[in-house]
Amino acid sequence: EPEVTQTPSHQVTQMGQEVILRCVPISNHLYFYWYRQILGQKVEFLVSFYNNEISEKSEIFDDQFSVERPDGSNFTLKIRSTKLEDSAMYFCASTSGISGANVLTFGAGSRLTVL
Amino acid sequence: SQQGEEDPQALSIQEGENATMNCSYKTSINNLQWYRQNSGRGLVHLILIRSNEREKHSGRLRVTLDTSKKSSSLLITASRAADTASYFCATDAVQAGTALIFGKGTTLSVSS
Repeated sequence: EPEVTQTPSHQVTQMGQEVILRCVPISNHLYFYWYRQILGQKVEFLVSFYNNEISEKSEIFDDQFSVERPDGSNFTLKIRSTKLEDSAMYFCASTSGISGANVLTFGAGSRLTVL
Repeated sequence: SQQGEEDPQALSIQEGENATMNCSYKTSINNLQWYRQNSGRGLVHLILIRSNEREKHSGRLRVTLDTSKKSSSLLITASRAADTASYFCATDAVQAGTALIFGKGTTLSVSS
């Protein structure tokens, strides 16, 4: 069964460093998302991406965050200068959007630890 | 915010019992979905109910939707230890575009 692949599974970084989280969505999906989940808390929407541009973003997704689809298969989330509070599990998701309902397929997540 | 809010936050039951989780939301929606998350893993879609539907079944899952009360429930019948997970409802608002907004989740523990 097709799956969304995320790398790395766990990254530890120092505060102020740049981090890039990578995702390979399902190949025929058109809509891509990043969510994050601080340990034990709710799943928070960050950004959605369609047709090579951001279609929606939350207030969490400030200037420190950016997304890119550099090569038609990868979908990346970059955090320019990490803060302690960026420590969380980051989930990539994708959907075809064909059914008119956004049933998302999630990756297993990338755990980011900022020290 | 039109995010869903589940209750209870945590639920502990014995195998074979039924588990009921509730979700409330604030604004008009296109559809409501339930997802499951095993500890430390990604979310997995369970079931979707559209705003013009009142009840839907999938295996041991039964979902209801009451748009007048802006609420939904997820019933898992004859629970198993393998059902132990967190369960989240997710909504997409009519006006808000494509983003699914998740609630805080209900953590279900099923003991054998």
